Amino acid sequence: DAGITQSPRYKITETGRQVTLMCHQTWSHSYMFWYRQDLGHGLRLIYYSAAADITDKGEVPDGYVVSRSKTENFPLTLESATRSQTSVYFCASSEWGTSQNQPQHFGDGTRLSIL
Amino acid sequence: AQKITQTQPGMFVQEKEAVTLDCTYDTSDPSYGLFWYKQPSSGEMIFLIYQGSYDQQNATEGRYSLNFQKARKSANLVISASQLGDSAMYFCAMREIKGSGYALNFGKGTSLLVTP
Repeated sequence: DAGITQSPRYKITETGRQVTLMCHQTWSHSYMFWYRQDLGHGLRLIYYSAAADITDKGEVPDGYVVSRSKTENFPLTLESATRSQTSVYFCASSEWGTSQNQPQHFGDGTRLSIL
Repeated sequence: AQKITQTQPGMFVQEKEAVTLDCTYDTSDPSYGLFWYKQPSSGEMIFLIYQGSYDQQNATEGRYSLNFQKARKSANLVISASQLGDSAMYFCAMREIKGSGYALNFGKGTSLLVTP
């Protein structure tokens, strides 16, 4: 039961480079999310997806791109990384919202450092 | 717009004692849900407990319970009989409807340290 897997766990890159964070879930959950966690801010929503080929912006989408060609994958791309995007990134998933008390399940996070 | 406030950046509690972590919220939606997550030093986010706005009783899950006071817009997490393994960051989050599903609005968290 792999659940939700993020890769890589750690990444160091330079400003201006493109970097893609991967997220894969095995539950066939309809909804998937990307959050970033920064000191003093808790977790903030970057993008979410209701189903394959359906994505929408969250609270802090600038500088990020997402795609969802398959239900199980939801990659997050930083097209030209900036130092302000240094953060811990969490992917999460949840079942289609028939029961709104169901929790979101989180991956273990990707710690991204941009030099 | 929703807002989640956790006013305690850090808390200490002695092992075997109970501790309350505060969470207040603001929303104009009559139907809402509140979640608590634990984040240990290893970094993963662990779901602890859920409270719906229309739930008649306060939620409980093992040693975790929610002191839900709707009129005061507070949903405090109570951990009974604290253990050393309870040392972690704790986040309160509110459900925000997104289409037929929802995203989570998180508070800034409270760091709990359990001492022997």
